[in-house]
Amino acid sequence: QQQVKQSPQSLIVQKGGISIINCAYENTAFDYFPWYQQFPGKGPALLIAIRPDVSEKKEGRFTISFNKSAKQFSLHIMDSQPGDSATYFCAARMGGSEKLVFGKGMKLTVNP
Amino acid sequence: EAGVAQSPRYKIIEKRQSVAFWCNPISGHATLYWYQQILGQGPKLLIQFQNNGVVDDSQLPKDRFSAERLKGVDSTLKIQPAKLEDSAVYLCASSLEWDRETQYFGPGTRLLVL
Repeated sequence: QQQVKQSPQSLIVQKGGISIINCAYENTAFDYFPWYQQFPGKGPALLIAIRPDVSEKKEGRFTISFNKSAKQFSLHIMDSQPGDSATYFCAARMGGSEKLVFGKGMKLTVNP
Repeated sequence: EAGVAQSPRYKIIEKRQSVAFWCNPISGHATLYWYQQILGQGPKLLIQFQNNGVVDDSQLPKDRFSAERLKGVDSTLKIQPAKLEDSAVYLCASSLEWDRETQYFGPGTRLLVL
């Protein structure tokens, strides 16, 4: 019930390509869905987030698509750059709290 | 603005030993979190403080883990005695009281228990 399932586990794309990371959840009590980016040796950093009353949110090259009925959300990285190479985590927050439940992460490699 | 500070960055101990990690949150951040990140997994919340009070410690293994934030600023997480499965990165994060959705993470302390 508290899990957030993330796929794929790893992804390799060419520079300029589109990277897509998918997440699925079961608990309808989740009310906030952030994506975090983590570089080796660093802590995760908030990248972009969405609430379930919105189907899409775009910030620069990063877009979240949210499908409430399917309980799925995804991160799209347009025009992927080598500097985007990192591990990406989706997360979900329990309503009424600040508790975040994280997916297992996806390692993205963008080749030059 | 300085970020979340953590020390030490790395620690190697033997099982059954004790270890402590320190975190100094961003100035003015009332909410502080400790997460455990096992290799290949996402962070898991261990404990959340609001000022010096505990908000959520439901996933803290209280038989061996303890945490405190006595003056509502910096915090210490302790493990005593450590087990092999405690090998992980321990992340500290903080957030403003009025913007708890944005958590700022420190670089973490990497613990290896032998």
